[in-house]
Amino acid sequence: AQSVTQLDSHVSVSEGTPVLLRCNYSSSYSPSLFWYVQHPNKGLQLLLKYTSAATLVKGINGFEAEFKKSETSFHLTKPSAHMSDAAEYFCVVSDPISSSNTGKLIFGQGTTLQVKP
Amino acid sequence: GAVVSQHPSRVICKSGTSVKIECRSLDFQATTMFWYRQFPKQSLMLMATSNEGSKATYEQGVEKDKFLINHASLTLSTLTVTSAHPEDSSFYICSAKSPLGGGYTFGSGTRLTVV
Repeated sequence: AQSVTQLDSHVSVSEGTPVLLRCNYSSSYSPSLFWYVQHPNKGLQLLLKYTSAATLVKGINGFEAEFKKSETSFHLTKPSAHMSDAAEYFCVVSDPISSSNTGKLIFGQGTTLQVKP
Repeated sequence: GAVVSQHPSRVICKSGTSVKIECRSLDFQATTMFWYRQFPKQSLMLMATSNEGSKATYEQGVEKDKFLINHASLTLSTLTVTSAHPEDSSFYICSAKSPLGGGYTFGSGTRLTVV
């Protein structure tokens, strides 16, 4: 069975400093991995996805993540935080679609990113 | 492209009444849609997988008679919360697999408050 663990429930950084949001996954298959961002009372926006291509994935708004199979990690980073980055971030895993799996998503617990002026 | 529209964004209803939430794929066909529930400061929990033209698949612990799902067309799935109770108050979000390759597109969510 697949699962995902976000190691930090809350991360606080100063504007202009790097961001690191940590995620570890467990999957019996070659997983697809995603990072989504959610602003208060809003839906989810896809930041980036990994689907067995390049291990370093670049996303929107300057975010990127590196898939490390040996560490079963998919940490999200950004070189310089902006105030607008303050939100909830979810690491998500999905097993490949098969006859018994419609590709449903399993969400991590979420990490709240606070950006201080 | 690949937009999922969800309505209403907010709804307040009285205990015992039913509430319908709509999820539409605006520019693509979605044979499968997913319904999630999110309690305050918690993650999203999958409630059910909605399949066009067939019965929904519910996750363990989700009452199918309370959360009625209908997916009658390739662009519309509805979730009806029947006989709502205050503990059903939550943020409900739908999603569909994006036709753009990888990833899933999410609706903007519905904040349900049962009083």
